[in-house]
Amino acid sequence: AQKITQTQPGMFVQEKEAVTLDCTYDTSDPSYGLFWYKQPSSGEMIFLIYQGSYDQQNATEGRYSLNFQKARKSANLVISASQLGDSAMYFCAMREGFSWGNTGNQFYFGTGTSLTVIP
Amino acid sequence: GAVVSQHPSRVICKSGTSVKIECRSLDFQATTMFWYRQFPKKSLMLMATSNEGSKATYEQGVEKDKFLINHASLTLSTLTVTSAHPEDSSFYICSARGQGRNTGELFFGEGSRLTVL
Repeated sequence: AQKITQTQPGMFVQEKEAVTLDCTYDTSDPSYGLFWYKQPSSGEMIFLIYQGSYDQQNATEGRYSLNFQKARKSANLVISASQLGDSAMYFCAMREGFSWGNTGNQFYFGTGTSLTVIP
Repeated sequence: GAVVSQHPSRVICKSGTSVKIECRSLDFQATTMFWYRQFPKKSLMLMATSNEGSKATYEQGVEKDKFLINHASLTLSTLTVTSAHPEDSSFYICSARGQGRNTGELFFGEGSRLTVL
């Protein structure tokens, strides 16, 4: 089974509007971390936001927020007030068994969502 | 913030030659580094996990003898594509785990685009 599923291969959003990028995950580990990365055309991966499985509140970082629904195993990324520079690939990722000082576990990535912001 | 640098960013080589890609953590010590390969418009594929001072752990289907990974120090890991062929052309990205950071976030290099003629 896929560890991370991103069902939207491509998304379009009007500039200044909000957009939600979907991500569902699969794990039986009670301890995990969820991450979103942005990959512009240059290829680099930019860390956006993190949500821990035990975090009570949804993570927010500027215009980025993570809609964490644990029971549904979803971790959707919400980008508010979209900007042209937000056009990029977005990857959702998960790391299982996360705990303080844990150094060994790999990341699982989704297939990504290509976001295009329309002027 | 933590910085991971990859070099070279672009490399073109002839078929049959070997290419080395370096991944450096510039301002932190990285006990674990990951190497990924990305195909056009597709997700990152984890190739291997390297821990400083020990052998890399390769994912299933990744040829160990073709993709040599060395993690000799806490700030440097190298990926050597041996006897490269055109099908090895791809975008290779490394990432490093920030030691002592409680979010477990990864810091990614800029990536290296390999073209094998």
